[in-house]
Amino acid sequence: AQSVAQPEDQVNVAEGNPLTVKCTYSVSGNPYLFWYVQYPNRGLQFLLKYITGDNLVKGSYGFEAEFNKSQTSFHLKKPSALVSDSALYFCAVRDNSGGYQKVTFGTGTKLQVIP
Amino acid sequence: NAGVTQTPKFRILKIGQSMTLQCTQDMNHNYMYWYRQDPGMGLKLIYYSVGAGITDKGEVPNGYNVSRSTTEDFPLRLELAAPSQTSVYFCASRGKNEKLFFGSGTQLSVL
Repeated sequence: AQSVAQPEDQVNVAEGNPLTVKCTYSVSGNPYLFWYVQYPNRGLQFLLKYITGDNLVKGSYGFEAEFNKSQTSFHLKKPSALVSDSALYFCAVRDNSGGYQKVTFGTGTKLQVIP
Repeated sequence: NAGVTQTPKFRILKIGQSMTLQCTQDMNHNYMYWYRQDPGMGLKLIYYSVGAGITDKGEVPNGYNVSRSTTEDFPLRLELAAPSQTSVYFCASRGKNEKLFFGSGTQLSVL
């Protein structure tokens, strides 16, 4: 079984400040981890992924995420928040062992960037 | 290159009616998924497919059926609609780079 937890329903941050959106995961085997963003009344868009290699991955719009195997975390970060970053963010996981093809999403975190 | 196309965008059903949500992708992806999104609940996987002719249940399959006769199409059928199926439905496809491409969604109300 695989699961993802996003402990914060909402994160508020002032424009220009750094932001962090938290995600922890649970898998039996080898995790593939993802972040997606959803703007109002839109579908989800891919931001970044961790498959293998460097623990710090960079993605679209200046976002990055750090894979921490010991803490089973994959937190999303950005050095300086923009008002236009306000959206709903989803963490997702796929266990890549044993031919498992399901992709499981967290409950989402609403990011509000305050001008 | 249209990506993932879902129809309809909106639909209102009466309790007990049936309908099919259409999903088509033009990226030749083998993997396709149906999710439902409810407020505060994130996305729940309904069904998925690893290729034409092969489908499997996700977390919340009850009340739904799928088929995958071609690589491009992955329709989701609701039989005997219930108010609990009021939701926003998203179809997605996944290629070799692991990225999911989502359609724009279908907002369904069952009254």
